[in-house]
Amino acid sequence: GAVVSQHPSRVICKSGTSVKIECRSLDFQATTMFWYRQFPKKSLMLMATSNEGSKATYEQGVEKDKFLINHASLTLSTLTVTSAHPEDSSFYICSARGTSEQYFGPGTRLTVT
Amino acid sequence: LAKTTQPISMDSYEGQEVNITCSHNNIATNDYITWYQQFPSQGPRFIIQGYKTKVTNEVASLFIPADRKSSTLSLPRVSLSDTAVYYCLVALSNNAGNMLTFGGGTRLMVKP
Repeated sequence: GAVVSQHPSRVICKSGTSVKIECRSLDFQATTMFWYRQFPKKSLMLMATSNEGSKATYEQGVEKDKFLINHASLTLSTLTVTSAHPEDSSFYICSARGTSEQYFGPGTRLTVT
Repeated sequence: LAKTTQPISMDSYEGQEVNITCSHNNIATNDYITWYQQFPSQGPRFIIQGYKTKVTNEVASLFIPADRKSSTLSLPRVSLSDTAVYYCLVALSNNAGNMLTFGGGTRLMVKP
């Protein structure tokens, strides 16, 4: 089946630094990718939707200048958490849409100290 | 926008059949119903998808009544490894294309 990968799987960074998370669709082209955030024992919350070659659409309450999304190709989308703070510590999951199903990556655990 | 409602948690024992029902009263005509499974610190994994009536694959069955306002995921003979959170989702659409909005999910605990 389709596979979506994320890198890194976990990252620890200091407060004030920026972190980039990559999401790749490995065996299909994804014109649309989604970024979710999940806090412990909570459901996934959609942060933004990105279409290849265009600006991302952010959900209400998600700062576009803090969470920079780039979708430069049909197989790669990146999420950059800028000037990270401890409250940004979370599990970030990307998803890529194929022809009929939506596939999820394994997630990236971000810890900001 | 369609919204889903599921039980917060369920307990079961190994070998039993588990049925998890999800309500989606405002489902739109073109929406599909999709179920995902999530283990701790992992991304959701697709289980099954359907539009109406019954769908069956190698891991589960999905029952959808004629009015499509609810759906039931059936897991036959669960094992300890089926302990996970199960999400019922209804495909929603926005200007950026179809997306999946997650509800609270059902935390299934399978006991020996």
